[in-house]
Amino acid sequence: DQQVKQNSPSLSVQEGRISILNCDYTNSMFDYFLWYKKYPAEGPTFLISISSIKDKNEDGRFTVFLNKSAKHLSLHIVPSQPGDSAVYFCAASEGGSNYKLTFGKGTLLTVNP
Amino acid sequence: ETGVTQTPRHLVMGMTNKKSLKCEQHLGHNAMYWYKQSAKKPLELMFVYSLEERVENNSVPSRFSPECPNSSHLFLHLHTLQPEDSALYLCASSQDLIVGNQPQHFGDGTRLSIL
Repeated sequence: DQQVKQNSPSLSVQEGRISILNCDYTNSMFDYFLWYKKYPAEGPTFLISISSIKDKNEDGRFTVFLNKSAKHLSLHIVPSQPGDSAVYFCAASEGGSNYKLTFGKGTLLTVNP
Repeated sequence: ETGVTQTPRHLVMGMTNKKSLKCEQHLGHNAMYWYKQSAKKPLELMFVYSLEERVENNSVPSRFSPECPNSSHLFLHLHTLQPEDSALYLCASSQDLIVGNQPQHFGDGTRLSIL
């Protein structure tokens, strides 16, 4: 029973265009959401996060949008660069003293030059 | 360089062997974690330590035995593993257990293969 779902195993976009990575969740207690990026042979690295009190958080080329009513979040990368090619994991937590992160299976993003 | 170092990077072992995975963090964090990533599955939390005390044992079989001698080091002792234990084992650390603006920092993992 997956509480965090990334339904697209892969996504391919052209350099300079927008990449949109999607994530759905089922647990209404989730309060904090994170995106991690993972290159081959490396561990995941933190990218950006959002609290449930917000619906948008932006950091440079990366923006995360949260739609609580739809239990959906998305990561937008604009403009996409070849170096963005990696696996992107969505993760969620109930927050507060609950430290557990529940991860999705990941989406492989390929940015073509 | 994430500040979390795992050794070895790759390990092949037989089912009757005993081996240990090591994790060291140079970030001054108080919490450390072991995760397992199997093919086509999400990361699964295995163990959590806070200030060297184990606070989570996520129904992990006893053939996996964690050890946290101090806040900078974390070990995963392996004994009599099964082929289905072949996976990527990731160590992570965070400032404290509270999730918020304190993301977990991951090491590069140990790729474990059980023959």
